[in-house]
Amino acid sequence: DQQVKQNSPSLSVQEGRISILNCDYTNSMFDYFLWYKKYPAEGPTFLISISSIKDKNEDGRFTVFLNKSAKHLSLHIVPSQPGDSAVYFCAASPNAGGTSYGKLTFGQGTILTVHP
Amino acid sequence: DSGVTQTPKHLITATGQRVTLRCSPRSGDLSVYWYQQSLDQGLQFLIQYYNGEERAKGNILERFSAQQFPDLHSELNLSSLELGDSALYFCASSRAGRRGYNEQFFGPGTRLTVL
Repeated sequence: DQQVKQNSPSLSVQEGRISILNCDYTNSMFDYFLWYKKYPAEGPTFLISISSIKDKNEDGRFTVFLNKSAKHLSLHIVPSQPGDSAVYFCAASPNAGGTSYGKLTFGQGTILTVHP
Repeated sequence: DSGVTQTPKHLITATGQRVTLRCSPRSGDLSVYWYQQSLDQGLQFLIQYYNGEERAKGNILERFSAQQFPDLHSELNLSSLELGDSALYFCASSRAGRRGYNEQFFGPGTRLTVL
């Protein structure tokens, strides 16, 4: 049972354009969402997060949007740069107080390629 | 550099053996998490420790165990190794188990190969 899904295994974008990575979740107990970037042979690097009380969070070129009713979040990268080429994972965490608080459930990842 | 360190970087061993993976969290972080990344399973949560105590458990096999020591470093012990245990093992740490502080910062991983 995959509770966090990234349905696009890969995305190819031209430098300077917008990259939009999508993620869907099924568990209503999730209330904190994160995006990570991963290069081969390295650990995931934290990019940006959003809690369920917000619908948007922005940090530089990265913006995460959350649509709770649709159980959908997206990561926008504007403008995209060749150095952004990596695997992007979305992750979700259940709300505080539960016994599984702190556990991150990851999607399968989307390979982003930004062409010069 | 996330500030989380893991040793060793690579480990090659035989089936039936036992290995220990080590993780040092970022300075000040009380929570340590272990994840397994295999080719077909993606990143899977194994276990979390908070200030020395087990806080949450994922689909961790009974052959695997972990602990967090008073200095907050953690060890993941894998025993009776099987070929299917070959994977990347990541450690992550975070400030605390409180709302707003759950960004987890990952180490570089240990690549385990079981032959």
